[in-house]
Amino acid sequence: EIVLTQSPGTLSLSPGDGATLSCRASQSVTSDLLAWYQHRPGQAPRLLVYGASTRATGIPGRFSGSGSGTDFTLTISRLEPEDFAVYYCHLYGTSSQTFGRGTKVEI
Amino acid sequence: EVQLVQSGAEVKKPGESLRISCQDSGDSFTSHWIAWVRQVPGKGLEWMGSIWPRDSDTKYSPSFQGHITISADKSTNTAHLQWSSLKASDTAMYYCARAACLRSVCRPYWYFDLWGRGTLVTVSS
Repeated sequence: EIVLTQSPGTLSLSPGDGATLSCRASQSVTSDLLAWYQHRPGQAPRLLVYGASTRATGIPGRFSGSGSGTDFTLTISRLEPEDFAVYYCHLYGTSSQTFGRGTKVEI
Repeated sequence: EVQLVQSGAEVKKPGESLRISCQDSGDSFTSHWIAWVRQVPGKGLEWMGSIWPRDSDTKYSPSFQGHITISADKSTNTAHLQWSSLKASDTAMYYCARAACLRSVCRPYWYFDLWGRGTLVTVSS
């Protein structure tokens, strides 16, 4: 079973800063079936990126996903106040689909 | 705007039964796999299982097989997650989520393009 490790656990930043969130797989992922979600408290999680780098419909261009193999990254170019949330990566495509434990982006 | 509307928070005792629900407000309920995802306080997300509402084909994670039942009611566009005997370790937030389809191909183990807000289940004596 592949384990996804997200780092850092918490990122303390200010509006306007850039953010780089890491998701590392314990084994190489042969297909880029990795998604990223944003989760604000009390709200439904929101799909940001799928296929490692494809932005979901309606997601602002400041969010970008990249990576392959074992290392994946979500980059937020300039943080807006609404971007302070928890971000999860998700490896999908098989019955062993799994999530990372999340990175909290806080002010 | 299409939403997945989940039922309200529940407080139960160990050994009790429970069914929580997730209603699709749109018109494509039978065209997507619907999943249940658990989040234990302070922990990450875990996929529990998924159902294809059109024929109730269900896939379970081995970690949850035998302890939960997932069902769907096409007449009300509602998916359900059910326990016959709760344990304290079932205390968690439970989310339903809709798996995306790619060019009309819908797979059970796919990324989720729509989520509910979650149902908090507390099991305590």
